Amino acid sequence: DIQLTQSPSFLSASVGDRVTITCRATHDISNYLAWYQQKPGKAPKLLLYAASTLQSGVPSRFSGSGSGTEFTLTISSLQPEDFATYYCQKLNTYPPPFGQGTKLEIK
Amino acid sequence: QVQLQESGPGLVKPSQTLSLTCTVSGGSISSGSYYWSWIRQPAGKGLEWIGRMYTSGTTNYNPSLKSRVTISVDTSKNQFSLSLSSVTAADTAVYYCARDNYFNSRFLAFDFWGQGALVTVSS
Repeated sequence: DIQLTQSPSFLSASVGDRVTITCRATHDISNYLAWYQQKPGKAPKLLLYAASTLQSGVPSRFSGSGSGTEFTLTISSLQPEDFATYYCQKLNTYPPPFGQGTKLEIK
Repeated sequence: QVQLQESGPGLVKPSQTLSLTCTVSGGSISSGSYYWSWIRQPAGKGLEWIGRMYTSGTTNYNPSLKSRVTISVDTSKNQFSLSLSSVTAADTAVYYCARDNYFNSRFLAFDFWGQGALVTVSS
């Protein structure tokens, strides 16, 4: 099975910071990758799919890049509402695995 | 705007069957390029995909759960359901239903999610 590893697992940052989260796959997954944001007690929310396509309604400060085995999610200028846990997910396999998550906390 | 809502018992006894239903509103469950999935999340842990279905009857399940899972659909009610048999405490989790966007022969992402239903397995 393809595994996804996110780094870091925890990230402390301030409002206005630029942050990057990495998701690495054990095998080449082309661009079959999505990113989600989850706040406590809430369902995950889709941010990006196909590695870099922004979901409708998601602020443009979120961006994604990568292909193959390494992917990044970047938030260009952190806003207070961005403090949450972020997950990557590999699509088009059975099962479609999620990364272990990156918890973004306020410094 | 599509909305999904999970419903079902919040407490299930060990060895019994967990049953949840997801009601879809704002769109037909039979329309176009969508599959429908179940995902779960134990408290404080990550997300685990359970399985998906298409309204044609096609289903795919996580190999780790396949022997215990059934996902079915009731198109007349715009609902799909999850059944997980022989549950143990390890199946205690928040269970989410989600729309699985399928386009140009590839799965893109889970673009709409239900709010989640906490199911506790305990005697």
